[in-house]
Parts: sequence; C-alpha cells; structure tokens
Amino acid sequence: DGGITQSPKYLFRKEGQNVTLSCEQNLNHDAMYWYRQDPGQGLRLIYYSQIVNDFQKGDIAEGYSVSREKKESFPLTVTSAQKNPTAFYLCASSKFWGGLPQQFFGPGTRLTVL
Amino acid sequence: AQTVTQSQPEMSVQEAETVTLSCTYDTSESDYYLFWYKQPPSRQMILVIRQEAYKQQNATENRFSVNFQKAAKSFSLKISDSQLGDAAMYFCAYRSGSQGAQKLVFGQGTRLTINP
Repeated sequence: DGGITQSPKYLFRKEGQNVTLSCEQNLNHDAMYWYRQDPGQGLRLIYYSQIVNDFQKGDIAEGYSVSREKKESFPLTVTSAQKNPTAFYLCASSKFWGGLPQQFFGPGTRLTVL
Repeated sequence: AQTVTQSQPEMSVQEAETVTLSCTYDTSESDYYLFWYKQPPSRQMILVIRQEAYKQQNATENRFSVNFQKAAKSFSLKISDSQLGDAAMYFCAYRSGSQGAQKLVFGQGTRLTINP
C-alpha cells in the first residue's frame, strides 16, 4: 500500500543535541512538507520541498534544517538552535502538478527534550 | 497572508445527532481550496472533505457536508448522525489554488466529543 512513514514514533533528546526525524513516501509525490503541532494550536509549516535538491523555508524554519536527496525521502533535523523543540512533527506530501490538491500525512513523531 | 479561524475550541454532541463546526478564513485570492481534516487520538491527520472555491455546490462525503459561503469567507462542517468514531480534533485548512507546492494554513482546531 502507498503511504507515508515517519520514524521514530517517539524521540527523546537532550538539550544541545541535534536529532533527525525520518520521512519516507511511496506515493510518487513530488512535494513534501514538514509541519509542527503544539498543544492547542494548528499545524505550522517548517520547510517544504517541491523537487529533489530544492527546498524552501516555511513560517517557522529557525532551528531546523532539511535535505531532499531522493524523491521519496525528506528528513528533518532539529538542531540545538531550536529553542523549544518539544512538539509533535508531521510530514506530508502532495503532487506538484495536477493530481489532488490535498496533502497526505504521515503518522507523526513526538519529540521530547529532556 | 491568509488566516484561518476556528472559534469553537470544543464542541459536544449526542450520538446520532447533528453538529456543525465553524470556520472562517481571510484571503485576497479568488482561487483556493478549503479542507477539513480529522485528527483522532492516534494523531493521524485524515482528510474529511475538500471544497474548491470555484465550485458553488457544497461538497458532501457521506455523513459529512460543508456550507461554503465564499462572500462571507465561511466554511462550516456539518456532521450528521454522529458516531462515536467521529470523536477527534477537527482542523479547517486553506490552500492557495496556484499549482505547485502550496502550504496548508490551519485553524486552531475544534475538539469534538460524542456523548453516547
């Protein structure tokens, strides 16, 4: 079945450490996105990528970095510069041209800073 | 910049009854999409329904329907014959109609409780 996978489901980080969240999709989608969800708030866009080797900052990119070396993969690194990284992180994907306009989401990763 | 507002942080409804969740948005664009996503306790985001702004007819998906008022910039979700499995956070979201990768702008969410 086609879909989006995220790993790990839960992640714990010590202050000062960088951590990388994985996102893989086999939907043959061109565009991929990373969102952050905090309690009582909707999702906010961190980064997005339209094609391989290209990505753009979203609304809250500070303290995060991404790469897009393969169409199927869009990992997110939460760096030590991110002041408040504890949150739920969701990866999504969509077709770039044509296709359905909605985004499809992965199951998410819960990051906790100890 | 576009904004989406959900003014009801929490709603509750009796099983089998009908409930309406409110959403308003602000945009200067004429071509866009609106969505309702459901997030159950598993936290998986699930698309409930989609509305294209150029379509006057309100979208329906089984027990779910929308009341899309373009001039008023209102996009409410009606759930008929509520079921226990409908309990979740519901998010209204906006997307520009332009081609390519377009971000979703989300509202704050409405937590829906179904009373048996």
